[in-house]
Amino acid sequence: EVQLLESGGGLVQPGGSLRLSCAASGFTFSSYVLSWVRQAPGKGLQWVSLISGSGGDTYYADSVKGRFTISRDNSKNTLYLQMNSLRAEDTAVYYCAKCVMGHWFFDLWGRGTLVTVSS
Amino acid sequence: DIVMTQSPDSLAVSLGERATINCKSSQSVLYSSNNKNYLAWYQQKPGQPPKLLIYWASTRESGVPDRFSGSGSGTDFTLTISSLQAEDVAVYYCQQYYGTPPITFGQGTRLEIK
Repeated sequence: EVQLLESGGGLVQPGGSLRLSCAASGFTFSSYVLSWVRQAPGKGLQWVSLISGSGGDTYYADSVKGRFTISRDNSKNTLYLQMNSLRAEDTAVYYCAKCVMGHWFFDLWGRGTLVTVSS
Repeated sequence: DIVMTQSPDSLAVSLGERATINCKSSQSVLYSSNNKNYLAWYQQKPGQPPKLLIYWASTRESGVPDRFSGSGSGTDFTLTISSLQAEDVAVYYCQQYYGTPPITFGQGTRLEIK
């Protein structure tokens, strides 16, 4: 079955760190660009970061640049998001999403993992 | 960055009637070399992740009912549901994927039954 499964969310204090994981199955993982998209409670979708199939190219939203790092382990079919210096405004459901081959729209989404930044 | 603005923010339509959602980009997302509009539409139901409906502004994703259609070019786009069904209650988002990131979404349009 083609799917993405996020994990690693939870409650963290402001200034803290968290690492999200996204386990993929059912497709040739290394062939696809992957992304993180978040959704604050009751709000819309916000793109966070994107990584090429090889992992050699990465992009970030300005709001997370310098604090978040996207990476992938193609041998484990897993995508990561290392989040440092977390702020209250980072509170959101974080979705892992797979891009269509060659283009940056998303044909497969995980169910998301909730990150809450609060003291 | 390309800003995506949807209208209206919310919409109530009777069952069986037409629903129309608009999306405007702050700059053209039409790529002249291939004449494609880099615009997608998603549907998000409560408690679920988004689901791809339309890409290239007007191409329906496999399995999406044909009552959903997309149109427009350049900076102005429309998602139309020709005959609203109860299961279409959701929030709809447009997204541009033109050029290099950032990728940007519209703020969403909430569709309800009147």
